[in-house]
Amino acid sequence: ILNVEQSPQSLHVQEGDSTNFTCSFPSSNFYALHWYRWETAKSPEALFVMTLNGDEKKKGRISATLNTKEGYSYLYIKGSQPEDSATYLCAYNTGTASKLTFGTGTRLQVTL
Amino acid sequence: EAEVAQSPRYKITEKSQAVAFWCDPISGHATLYWYRQILGQGPELLVQFQDESVVDDSQLPKDRFSAERLKGVDSTLKIQPAELGDSAMYLCASSLSVNYGYTFGSGTRLTVV
Repeated sequence: ILNVEQSPQSLHVQEGDSTNFTCSFPSSNFYALHWYRWETAKSPEALFVMTLNGDEKKKGRISATLNTKEGYSYLYIKGSQPEDSATYLCAYNTGTASKLTFGTGTRLQVTL
Repeated sequence: EAEVAQSPRYKITEKSQAVAFWCDPISGHATLYWYRQILGQGPELLVQFQDESVVDDSQLPKDRFSAERLKGVDSTLKIQPAELGDSAMYLCASSLSVNYGYTFGSGTRLTVV
C-alpha cells in the first residue's frame, strides 16, 4: 500500500450500536499513526497517537489498536451516541520532523 | 485551552481574484502547517514551516500560491489568481512535536465562483 486508505467511506448506525473503522498505511518507514475526530463546523481534534506495534489506546468509549507489521489500525466506538457523529481521519508519519499524510476519512452518522 | 486561530471562516471570491488566509498558531509551537482538503479527499499538505523557514512546500502550486511566516509566529497563505479548482477547506495546524499530534484551527472554507 502506498497511501493511507480508510474504510468504510461512510457509516450510519443507530444509537447504542458499536462500530469500527479501518485505516491501512504503508508499513515501511513507519513512525506514528494518528487518529482525529472532525465534527462539522469544528476543528479536527486529536484522539490518539500510536507508535508501537500492538499498541492499544482508549479514551472513554473510543479505542484504537495498531499493527505496524501489516500496516493497519482499527478504531472502535462502543455504544455509539449522536455526539459521536463526525468524520474520523487517520494519518501517519515517517519521522519526528515529517508531515502527516491523511486518509480520506470515515464519516459516521449516529441516529436515535 | 489554547487554540489555533484562523480567519476568515468563510470566503467567496471570483475567479482570477486574489485571496489571503491568516493563521495564528499556539504560542510556542515552532512548526506550522497549511493543509488543503478538497471535498471527498483527505487533507493534503501545502506547506510546512519550522519557525520562519519553509521545510516542505513540494505540493504548493507556486505559480499561484505563496505562504509566509514572518518572525516565525503567525502565517499568511495567499492565492493569486484564484481558480475554480481552488475551492476547498484550508486548514492551519501547529505542533510542539508531531509526536503529540497537531492542533488544528477551524479552517477557512473557500468558494471560487
